[in-house]
Amino acid sequence: QQQVKQSPQSLIVQKGGISIINCAYENTAFDYFPWYQQFPGKGPALLIAIRPDVSEKKEGRFTISFNKSAKQFSLHIMDSQPGDSATYFCAARGSGGYQKVTFGTGTKLQVIP
Amino acid sequence: EPEVTQTPSHQVTQMGQEVILRCVPISNHLYFYWYRQILGQKVEFLVSFYNNEISEKSEIFDDQFSVERPDGSNFTLKIRSTKLEDSAMYFCASQDSGLYQPQHFGDGTRLSIL
Repeated sequence: QQQVKQSPQSLIVQKGGISIINCAYENTAFDYFPWYQQFPGKGPALLIAIRPDVSEKKEGRFTISFNKSAKQFSLHIMDSQPGDSATYFCAARGSGGYQKVTFGTGTKLQVIP
Repeated sequence: EPEVTQTPSHQVTQMGQEVILRCVPISNHLYFYWYRQILGQKVEFLVSFYNNEISEKSEIFDDQFSVERPDGSNFTLKIRSTKLEDSAMYFCASQDSGLYQPQHFGDGTRLSIL
């Protein structure tokens, strides 16, 4: 099963709050899990990525939590800012390093002042 | 920072016409991809390309589609006879060699079929 399931579809968070986006996959051949941020009229931009041998990765206000046994991973945005308002896609890629990226359905985040 | 550039940003074409979308990947990247995104939907894989040949293609990438790397810098996607349902954003991506390298995306070409 090649799908990556993502929730919620949309999210409204107060400035300074925590935004949480969840994803799940079934294909155990996936071994690289990037998150992309997309602003209107722009292409997906890599935000942060994790490998399945790591349970958590933090870069600034962005943290990925990864649960290999449950085949779930999530993005936490701490101290959310209005500038974080964008669509976020979780994604997964198969082993070998050069495989296609399979995207989740996206979460439209709105951070209100 | 190096980036993937795509031209044109918007292409309007009559149904049945041929269209060529152009991409300049990041120099020294060896792996190239095309994806598309229908308005409001997720990004879908079309094709991957390495060493001057297609590595993988999706069900979407039928005989109407072709890709080419005509020189050392450009990577193109051709749609031979466009259909209304080809209307979408088309994204080019490139990737450096090495495990766990990310794919870098351009800002896309909006293709509108009339």
